[in-house]
Amino acid sequence: DTQLTQSPSFLSASVGDRVTITCRASQDIRSYLAWYQQKPGKVPKLLIYSASTLQSGVPSRFSGSGSGTEFTLTISSLQPEDFATYYCQQLNRQSLFGGGTRVEIK
Amino acid sequence: QVQLQESGPGLVKPSETLSLTCDVSGYSISSGYYLGWIRQPPGKGLEWIGTIYHKGNTYYNPSLKSRVTISIDTSKSQISLNLSSVTAADTAIYYCARTGVLRYFDWLLVVGAHDAFDIWGQGTMVTVSS
Repeated sequence: DTQLTQSPSFLSASVGDRVTITCRASQDIRSYLAWYQQKPGKVPKLLIYSASTLQSGVPSRFSGSGSGTEFTLTISSLQPEDFATYYCQQLNRQSLFGGGTRVEIK
Repeated sequence: QVQLQESGPGLVKPSETLSLTCDVSGYSISSGYYLGWIRQPPGKGLEWIGTIYHKGNTYYNPSLKSRVTISIDTSKSQISLNLSSVTAADTAIYYCARTGVLRYFDWLLVVGAHDAFDIWGQGTMVTVSS
């Protein structure tokens, strides 16, 4: 079974910072990866699918890249509303979520 | 617009079966989107439970497969989740979600890849306790 490792599990950043979150799969999952944002008490929101395709309505400061086993979610300039937990989800064969990255205000 | 609404008992006793339904509105459940169940224990991450295609094909998390059944009732526009032999570890918010790509055949069966969930219900909290 594919394992999914998300890092870091926690990061502290300031408004305006460039933030990068990594998701590593234990085997090749091609581009079958999605990213979600979840705010406390709220439902997860799809940000990116197919590793790099921005979901409709998601701000362009969010971007995804990677294929195979290593993927990144980048927020080019962190905004106050971006403080949340982010999850990757691998979609190849078996669906599996990463452990999450909590982004907090520095 | 598309809406998903989970419902079911908020409290289930250990060893019993957890049963939830998800009412779908705003689109035809018989069209080619997948629907799935995802859960989230309090303060923890997301766990995929399983996915169903409108024709009834089901796909389950291997770690839960022996206890899970997901079914679809197109006449009622709803899907159901049954999770048997529950323990305290099954205490979680349970979400129903729909994928974002219309598939005219069972893509997951043929290609072996899931689609991401772009529409989620509000979730329902289920506590397993005696």
